[in-house]
Amino acid sequence: QSVLTQPPSASGTPGQRVTISCSGSSSNIGGNNVNWYHQVPGTAPKLLIYYRDRRPSGVPDRFSGSKSGTSASLGISGLQSEDEGDYYCAAWDDSLNGYVFGTGTKVTVL
Amino acid sequence: EVQLVQSGAEIKKPGESLKISCKGSGYSFASYWIAWVRQVPGKGLEWMGIIYPDDSEARYSPSFQGQVTISADKSISTAYLQWSSLKASDSAMYFCARPDTSGWYPFDYWGQGTLVTVSS
Repeated sequence: QSVLTQPPSASGTPGQRVTISCSGSSSNIGGNNVNWYHQVPGTAPKLLIYYRDRRPSGVPDRFSGSKSGTSASLGISGLQSEDEGDYYCAAWDDSLNGYVFGTGTKVTVL
Repeated sequence: EVQLVQSGAEIKKPGESLKISCKGSGYSFASYWIAWVRQVPGKGLEWMGIIYPDDSEARYSPSFQGQVTISADKSISTAYLQWSSLKASDSAMYFCARPDTSGWYPFDYWGQGTLVTVSS
């Protein structure tokens, strides 16, 4: 069972904004940077956000990250059909001495 | 262009051994950590451990310590994930992944995945 908790699903219509939460603790989100990944089923995950709010080259600025205390959020604005898939938060956990992923959120574009 | 190419799908019986591979190209393989990530079908991502190919220093998630062995051969730019005795519960997709920088994470580059099926 993951130490980072996400809602199992989220949805929106094209153009809407969707927010995904990620709840952790002081040993992970509270003290370390949060990363976000997007995975289309059957393919490898893709890094979306690192260092809490930075985007790798090629990731549109529709994606944004934030953190407050032991929780983090991923925002997707101007939702598009290609945004469907599973989203995972992740962070280093100092207590487990390992990198932990969230439980995952399935995003559906209605 | 950085690429990680993994070995093909495997079908094994419980108790058998297995070694899957991840070959890096397009960069100095020895200088970047490589991680292994497990994904059971329909489930989430799990970090298994990480290795530094230059000196083969490996770190494991407590959940996988003693269950698998992570190794690397820098002379052929290849990292490995190995089981000595497979269980049905090892059936999963396994990804190798590499950070963009010299750190341990996050993972900018991913292999295509190797599907391991363990069934009698």
